[in-house]
Amino acid sequence: DTEVTQTPKHLVMGMTNKKSLKCEQHMGHRAMYWYKQKAKKPPELMFVYSYEKLSINESVPSRFSPECPNSSLLNLHLHALQPEDSALYLCASSQLGGAKFYEQYFGPGTRLTVT
Amino acid sequence: DQQVKQNSPSLSVQEGRISILNCDYTNSMFDYFLWYKKYPAEGPTFLISISSIKDKNEDGRFTVFLNKSAKHLSLHIVPSQPGDSAVYFCAAMNAGNNRKLIWGLGTSLAVNP
Repeated sequence: DTEVTQTPKHLVMGMTNKKSLKCEQHMGHRAMYWYKQKAKKPPELMFVYSYEKLSINESVPSRFSPECPNSSLLNLHLHALQPEDSALYLCASSQLGGAKFYEQYFGPGTRLTVT
Repeated sequence: DQQVKQNSPSLSVQEGRISILNCDYTNSMFDYFLWYKKYPAEGPTFLISISSIKDKNEDGRFTVFLNKSAKHLSLHIVPSQPGDSAVYFCAAMNAGNNRKLIWGLGTSLAVNP
């Protein structure tokens, strides 16, 4: 099973709203990632969690706040976003060790529109 | 500086024929390479990977070839099917550098019936 699930599938929010994106995986992966993807561009790394601890923050604005409650769940809390933050937000996971640690598996994404 | 380059923005092939997608890289420290397929408004789907100690990896209709001396890899899809029509991303990783994937800009493949 290589499934990563994300909810919601679509989200429209105003610039003063607070919302959260959710991601779940049951592959036993101990690394989880948030990416942002704009149309016709490759995914852009935002955050990496290793063993439920934030290990990489790619200089993401503080209006994006990640959280990893346990080894299967990853959240992205959104507050005071800008219209230019509208994008497809992708969650991914991978092993931290083993022969295939470099293979990242992506969820279907949340299409976010900021109005 | 684009460390992973996919120089063909698009490719069109006939159903049943071979599709060859190319990727060049500049960083000799990359030790793993991956190919992903992406449909519009969906997440990338992992297709196949290869480590730098190998020169070929095959999985069903998909084969990846790595030429380290030329810093070039290619994805072969045989036979191509209409459902293969998607954007294909090449990505590379230096495992000693935070395991961050470095992505190409993608090649849009159209397989015509």
